[in-house]
Amino acid sequence: DTEVTQTPKHLVMGMTNKKSLKCEQHMGHRAMYWYKQKAKKPPELMFVYSYEKLSINESVPSRFSPECPNSSLLNLHLHALQPEDSALYLCASSQALAGYNEQFFGPGTRLTVL
Amino acid sequence: GENVEQHPSTLSVQEGDSAVIKCTYSDSASNYFPWYKQELGKGPQLIIDIRSNVGEKKDQRIAVTLNKTAKHFSLHITETQPEDSAVYFCAALNQAGTALIFGKGTTLSVSS
Repeated sequence: DTEVTQTPKHLVMGMTNKKSLKCEQHMGHRAMYWYKQKAKKPPELMFVYSYEKLSINESVPSRFSPECPNSSLLNLHLHALQPEDSALYLCASSQALAGYNEQFFGPGTRLTVL
Repeated sequence: GENVEQHPSTLSVQEGDSAVIKCTYSDSASNYFPWYKQELGKGPQLIIDIRSNVGEKKDQRIAVTLNKTAKHFSLHITETQPEDSAVYFCAALNQAGTALIFGKGTTLSVSS
């Protein structure tokens, strides 16, 4: 199974709401990633977890809060977002953190902030 | 840090033609260069990659070439098919080797 799943597919939220994005993989990968992708732009790295510990935080605002409950799951908690945070949020995983490892991407969650 | 430039931003070809997408990178220490394809409504998918100890790599209709001296690498797709239509991203590893830096993407359209 070489699939990364993400839920929900679409999410609409107000600026005062709290919501969470979920990501799951069962490939035994020990590195998991959150990316943000705006329309017609490349993915931008937000967070990286390696062995369930936060390894990289690309200076992301605190209204985004990642969580890695176990080696298969990755969450992104959202609170007090701004309209400019509307984007496609992609989750990815790889066997290990080292860059030679192929990153497998999920289909993404399309987030709209009103 | 690493910077990746990608050209062209859009490319239209007829079915059966070849397509070439070029990228340049800034950090001479970079040693890994993957190419990702992103179809509409999907996440990016790795299609081919190359390491700095190799000058060329082929996989059926897809090939990647690397010129370390000039710090550029290219994706070549031969005998293009409509299903090749997608956005293609080149990438390079950051200095720490822990994250990918993506180019801005090329939208390839193959018309039949």
